[in-house]
Amino acid sequence: NAGVMQNPRHLVRRRGQEARLRCSPMKGHSHVYWYRQLPEEGLKFMVYLQKENIIDESGMPKERFSAEFPKEGPSILRIQQVVRGDSAAYFCASSSQGLPYEQYFGPGTRLTVT
Amino acid sequence: AQSVTQLGSHVSVSEGALVLLRCNYSSSVPPYLFWYVQYPNQGLQLLLKYTSAATLVKGINGFEAEFKKSETSFHLTKPSAHMSDAAEYFCAVSDVGGTSYGKLTFGQGTILTVHP
Repeated sequence: NAGVMQNPRHLVRRRGQEARLRCSPMKGHSHVYWYRQLPEEGLKFMVYLQKENIIDESGMPKERFSAEFPKEGPSILRIQQVVRGDSAAYFCASSSQGLPYEQYFGPGTRLTVT
Repeated sequence: AQSVTQLGSHVSVSEGALVLLRCNYSSSVPPYLFWYVQYPNQGLQLLLKYTSAATLVKGINGFEAEFKKSETSFHLTKPSAHMSDAAEYFCAVSDVGGTSYGKLTFGQGTILTVHP
C-alpha cells in the first residue's frame, strides 16, 4: 500500500517563475492537507481539500498561492511569481473520512527560489 | 484558537537514558493530540495519537505519551533512548470538535540528540 507521494522532491525556481507541487494521497483517502515548513517558523497549515472542493484555505497567503484537488489526478499546490521567501519545504498529508482524521505525510517538496 | 507549546527546542540524552519531551496544549474543545517524528530531509511519521480513549497512549518504537487534562499536557516518553531516536519531534493538536476539520496545529519542534 503506497504512502502519500509528492513530486518533485526538490524544485528550483528563479524569482518570478511558477512552481507546481503535486501530491497523490494514500489509496482510499479523500482528504488532503498542505503544510509549509519555513526555517525558524515551524510547520504551518495552508489548505484543506476534498475532491473538487476547497474546504479550508485559512492558512494560504492571499496572493499567488492556489490549490486544487480534481476529481481525477493528484492535488496541486501552485505558487505563481515565486519570491525568495517562498523557499521552504511543502508537505502534503492525507486522511480518510471520519474522526480522528489521522494524517499521513508525504516526503515533502523542497522549493528553492534563486 | 488552538496552540501547542513544546518546552525545550533541544534535548540531549545518553543512549539508554530516559527520553522526556514536553508538550502543552490549548484548545477550546476536547482535543485530539498527536506526536510526529521527522528525520532529516524526510516527511513526518506518526508516533502515536490520543483520541479521548485511554489517557496513556502507546506508540511505535517504544514511545508512549500520557494525556493529563488538568495540566493540559501530553508529554512523550521512552524508557531507554537509542541512537536511532535522534530526530526532530513535533507535538500537534487537532480541534476536530470544532470547524477545523482536523487541521493540525504544530508545536515548534524538539530536536532530540542521543550521544553514546
